[in-house]
Amino acid sequence: ETGVTQTPRHLVMGMTNKKSLKCEQHLGHNAMYWYKQSAKKPLELMFVYNFKEQTENNSVPSRFSPECPNSSHLFLHLHTLQPEDSALYLCASSQGGLAGVHEQFFGPGTRLTVL
Amino acid sequence: AQSVSQHNHHVILSEAASLELGCNYSYGGTVNLFWYVQYPGQHLQLLLKYFSGDPLVKGIKGFEAEFIKSKFSFNLRKPSVQWSDTAEYFCAVIRGSGNTGKLIFGQGTTLQVKP
Repeated sequence: ETGVTQTPRHLVMGMTNKKSLKCEQHLGHNAMYWYKQSAKKPLELMFVYNFKEQTENNSVPSRFSPECPNSSHLFLHLHTLQPEDSALYLCASSQGGLAGVHEQFFGPGTRLTVL
Repeated sequence: AQSVSQHNHHVILSEAASLELGCNYSYGGTVNLFWYVQYPGQHLQLLLKYFSGDPLVKGIKGFEAEFIKSKFSFNLRKPSVQWSDTAEYFCAVIRGSGNTGKLIFGQGTTLQVKP
């Protein structure tokens, strides 16, 4: 499979559940990102990982916990979420490093509904 | 805080009409500019980008955008739209010349092209 894949594509969870979102990139990139896309709001950057190190946490609540075990995989662990966390969660990847600006490639997203 | 504004939230055009979607950003320093498109049921994908050089940038599918530094604008244009251009369009900005990965998105413009 090519590009950036995300699983599951749809997830419904209760506020007391614990679940994880998975992202995998097949592009040989070293930087990976989590974004949140809510209705009628701009895409919001949540986390950035560069060469497996977290380089950005955009004031995200601790009920969202990212994990990047290697440059190809990125997880978002979810626990005790709120209904307002319902959104489309997008993963992206790009070439890593700090020099130059690189295009980000996006996955299809996970549609999360919190009941 | 830096922001990206897309003035048109919902645009409806007939086929063969010309398109211009507005995008303005608030940051005064070096910026790198992007337009992404999301076709129904598909991933976000890059339409075009500006890093430096010629301020008129050509993208895929006949789209172009012009960077006007004095106006802090990066408007997207297409001379003649097709039904297949129906999608959501996002303007995005990265500050500076280094790869911070911090893409800041506008709220998006939904384009509906009537056949």
